[in-house]
Amino acid sequence: RKEVEQDPGPFNVPEGATVAFNCTYSNSASQSFFWYRQDCRKEPKLLMSVYSSGNEDGRFTAQLNRASQYISLLIRDSKLSDSATYLCVVNALTTGGFKTIFGAGTRLFVKA
Amino acid sequence: DTGVSQNPRHKITKRGQNVTFRCDPISEHNRLYWYRQTLGQGPEFLTYFQNEAQLEKSRLLSDRFSAERPKGSFSTLEIQRTEQGDSAMYLCASSLGAASPTEAFFGQGTRLTVV
Repeated sequence: RKEVEQDPGPFNVPEGATVAFNCTYSNSASQSFFWYRQDCRKEPKLLMSVYSSGNEDGRFTAQLNRASQYISLLIRDSKLSDSATYLCVVNALTTGGFKTIFGAGTRLFVKA
Repeated sequence: DTGVSQNPRHKITKRGQNVTFRCDPISEHNRLYWYRQTLGQGPEFLTYFQNEAQLEKSRLLSDRFSAERPKGSFSTLEIQRTEQGDSAMYLCASSLGAASPTEAFFGQGTRLTVV
């Protein structure tokens, strides 16, 4: 089982749609969680951190369920510029301390 | 520019040659990570350092791969006797913290092509 698993995608949605991405992680001792965005041929960049109480940043809402080891990202009113790959990221506790693990990513295409 | 810097940006090499990549992290960051990414996949963990100590190395990493961070600042990743399957983007990232690392910041990567 992969340490971080995401919806395989791709997601093809029209502008204005609401889209949700799901992610599960296997290490119950994981502590901090993030969503990154990666544009084609670019490096990943932080989109938002994910907090236990859930958090929102404009059109983006992130949720964390520690009991289910599940993370989600909701994008409302999607824009063409939201087209990218969204990476679920977990800081997982290992014998050497915490290491940052990425999911395989979910590709989003927003169409006019 | 005070972000993560990687050199070279692109490398084309013949199969069997050795290559070395360099990463300069954000100066105050004590953690440094190396990842490999192929088309359509997320970054795959290779190894990471806390200061100069290499804390973990992926089992996916063969003995041909070695990484160092001699003074706890910049890091190098060497691949010996390159194979075509080594062709990928090699990403370096840095972060701050030990008990609860902050988010990781990435360099622009080194794209390796083995011909």
